Amino acid sequence: DAKTTQPPSMDCAEGRAANLPCNHSTISGNEYVYWYRQIHSQGPQYIIHGLKNNETNEMASLIITEDRKSSTLILPHATLRDTAVYYCIVRVAYNNNDMRFGAGTRLTVKP
Amino acid sequence: EAQVTQNPRYLITVTGKKLTVTCSQNMNHEYMSWYRQDPGLGLRQIYYSMNVEVTDKGDVPEGYKVSRKEKRNFPLILESPSPNQTSLYFCASALLSGYEQYFGPGTRLTVT
Repeated sequence: DAKTTQPPSMDCAEGRAANLPCNHSTISGNEYVYWYRQIHSQGPQYIIHGLKNNETNEMASLIITEDRKSSTLILPHATLRDTAVYYCIVRVAYNNNDMRFGAGTRLTVKP
Repeated sequence: EAQVTQNPRYLITVTGKKLTVTCSQNMNHEYMSWYRQDPGLGLRQIYYSMNVEVTDKGDVPEGYKVSRKEKRNFPLILESPSPNQTSLYFCASALLSGYEQYFGPGTRLTVT
């Protein structure tokens, strides 16, 4: 069973914030939320991860709800190069073998 | 530059002809893994390695072999390729299992 649910596609205007939602209502207490993206057919790229606190790095911000059942990845100023498939993944911190890439959200940034 | 490299990037071969896809990382990572990506099925893990001489099956290991004789290299071996192994393959590495993975550029394999 899929651990996460994401919309299949979203559009965003260049320069605006892109907010990508993810539902993970069955998340366990020891599971983290990870985000990766894949530009065209390139290798997936790690973006950010978090457990329960909001996180920010040079690429994005991750907002996790207090009950941890959903999260939002925020790209503050989307550019055309951010057009990609974004994957929300829930897994325990110590186990990369528990990483399940679903269908993700195809984000299209438009000029 | 820290990176994961794969060779070849593109390969067309025939059924039954043994092939090896190489993967190398220069980050001294202990964990390495192989995935295949197919339309509608997403990325699926084939094999992984926690460290040198330690390998284990992922979700779809049938028809594949791997070896980890040195930390930087993790080749994927198809002893007798079949058309259902036509796919886009990615190698990845991480400092340790549980850390974020760095993916290679991919190898597009076609088996006729």
